Amino acid sequence: DTGVSQDPRHKITKRGQNVTFRCDPISEHNRLYWYRQTLGQGPEFLTYFQNEAQLEKSRLLSDRFSAERPKGSFSTLEIQRTEQGDSAMYLCASSLEGGEETQYFGPGTRLLVL
Amino acid sequence: DAKTTQPPSMDCAEGRAANLPCNHSTISGNEYVYWYRQIHSQGPQYIIHGLKNNETNEMASLIITEDRKSSTLILPHATLRDTAVYYCIVRGWNAGNNRKLIWGLGTSLAVNP
Repeated sequence: DTGVSQDPRHKITKRGQNVTFRCDPISEHNRLYWYRQTLGQGPEFLTYFQNEAQLEKSRLLSDRFSAERPKGSFSTLEIQRTEQGDSAMYLCASSLEGGEETQYFGPGTRLLVL
Repeated sequence: DAKTTQPPSMDCAEGRAANLPCNHSTISGNEYVYWYRQIHSQGPQYIIHGLKNNETNEMASLIITEDRKSSTLILPHATLRDTAVYYCIVRGWNAGNNRKLIWGLGTSLAVNP
């Protein structure tokens, strides 16, 4: 399967702990996006990378959130000092720059903060 | 805010065509209409997109009105596996570096046996 992959698929953590999620995009895609989705809502944009450069961050991405894409391939999203309000599905998408640029999504990581 | 409006829910009988409407009255000339769907607890799945011409692929057809202010996604022979939330999204392709998708609440389609 050469689609977008995310790891882990599920994460349960206690409030105050740090968590890290990984996203592996489609191999030739140079753009990578993170979205967050809470129950009953559509996904909300968090941040995006073009190659290794982080080009936009949403105001939703508080100081406790950090994302990296060190070599322009996989990306990590870290949440420090998790809060119950961080409980959500974290989605990663990738696209190939240029033209109509369709974003393809991974299966998501579902986070539950107790 | 999302630039589209969709009915919150629809029903369809298995084997019949499902026609999902979307209103995007403020769409501008360089903006495409994208459709995704999300089956419960899974990541969104790309379905189809178009600019002004009707489009068809193996999953669905997209009909865009001549004035581009609305569109309809057609699933020609709906199956139970098509039960999902369907999102209609408008996005420009020539918007500098800002390529994020802005999502509304979508239409929850229930395909009934």
